[in-house]
Amino acid sequence: EDQVTQSPEALRLQEGESSSLNCSYTVSGLRGLFWYRQDPGKGPEFLFTLYSAGEEKEKERLKATLTKKESFLHITAPKPEDSATYLCAVQANDYKLSFGAGTTVTVRA
Amino acid sequence: DTGVSQNPRHKITKRGQNVTFRCDPISEHNRLYWYRQTLGQGPEFLTYFQNEAQLEKSRLLSDRFSAERPKGSFSTLEIQRTEQGDSAMYLCASSLPSGGFPGELFFGEGSRLTVL
Repeated sequence: EDQVTQSPEALRLQEGESSSLNCSYTVSGLRGLFWYRQDPGKGPEFLFTLYSAGEEKEKERLKATLTKKESFLHITAPKPEDSATYLCAVQANDYKLSFGAGTTVTVRA
Repeated sequence: DTGVSQNPRHKITKRGQNVTFRCDPISEHNRLYWYRQTLGQGPEFLTYFQNEAQLEKSRLLSDRFSAERPKGSFSTLEIQRTEQGDSAMYLCASSLPSGGFPGELFFGEGSRLTVL
């Protein structure tokens, strides 16, 4: 069965203080690794898809990387509006995502 | 607004009552998914439709749960004889045909169920 573990569970940052979130996974035949952002009371919002080890993608202050066993989401010089729960998910077949529990990031001004 | 729409946003019900949630996907998306999310956890897959066909159901979906997608458009998720353990956020998502590759899922804002 697919397993996705995210760490840390919670992260408190000062504005401008860069950090990284970890997503380790066990899946038979990874077809894609996804990062989503979720604000309180809302549905997840797509950020990135990574398909193969060594791949990197960037969006504003966020950068996602992928190895054969884990993915990192780097947040560079975060702002308070980056506060959210960041979810990692793996896809092993054509339709189902298996999500981790998420990392809740709080950025203080 | 052309995103995924879910109704109602909140539902409070007494144990033993039936509830139904509706999801209107993005119009050109032929794939529709239901997920369930409890506090502090990530979403868990419940079921998946391609057009009107329900192609997969999770073991999480007991016999009290039924989902439909008539005519391949909107979908409904019904929970019969609700239990307190059914309290959760029910998320609907839709996507374009993936051609065998993973696609981006567009989620709605969810329907929060509280069973008293």
